[in-house]
Amino acid sequence: EPEVTQTPSHQVTQMGQEVILRCVPISNHLYFYWYRQILGQKVEFLVSFYNNEISEKSEIFDDQFSVERPDGSNFTLKIRSTKLEDSAMYFCASSTGGSYNEQFFGPGTRLTVL
Amino acid sequence: SQQGEEDPQALSIQEGENATMNCSYKTSINNLQWYRQNSGRGLVHLILIRSNEREKHSGRLRVTLDTSKKSSSLLITASRAADTASYFCATDEAGTALIFGKGTTLSVSS
Repeated sequence: EPEVTQTPSHQVTQMGQEVILRCVPISNHLYFYWYRQILGQKVEFLVSFYNNEISEKSEIFDDQFSVERPDGSNFTLKIRSTKLEDSAMYFCASSTGGSYNEQFFGPGTRLTVL
Repeated sequence: SQQGEEDPQALSIQEGENATMNCSYKTSINNLQWYRQNSGRGLVHLILIRSNEREKHSGRLRVTLDTSKKSSSLLITASRAADTASYFCATDEAGTALIFGKGTTLSVSS
């Protein structure tokens, strides 16, 4: 069964460093998403991406965040200058359509900022 | 903004019993989705119910949706130890973002 994959599973970085989190969505999906979950808290929406552009973003997704689909399979989230409060589990998701379709999540990347 | 809020926050049952979790939300939705998360792991999609549907089944799962009360319930029948996990409902806003609740932590003991 096709699934969303994410790499790395765990990333440790120093405050102020740039990180890139990678995702491979399900191949026939058209919508891509990033969410994050700070330990013990709710899953929070960051951004959705369709047709090579951002379709929605939350207040969390400020100028230090960016997303890219560099090729036909990968979908990346870049954090330019990490802060301690960026430590969280980051989930990528994909779906075939918009609001009426299931979003399938990857296993997540645990980001630890020291 | 709207959000799903589950109750109870925690539920402990014995294997073979049924588990019922509830979710409430605040504004109109297109659909509501339920997810499972094992400790420290990813989110597994369980079921999606559309706003024009009232009930949906998938294996041992039964989901209901009452749009007049802005609530949904997830019933797991004949629970197993492997069902131990956190369960979340997620609702959509006008766009495609999913808004998650805090979840119900289910513990099934054998």
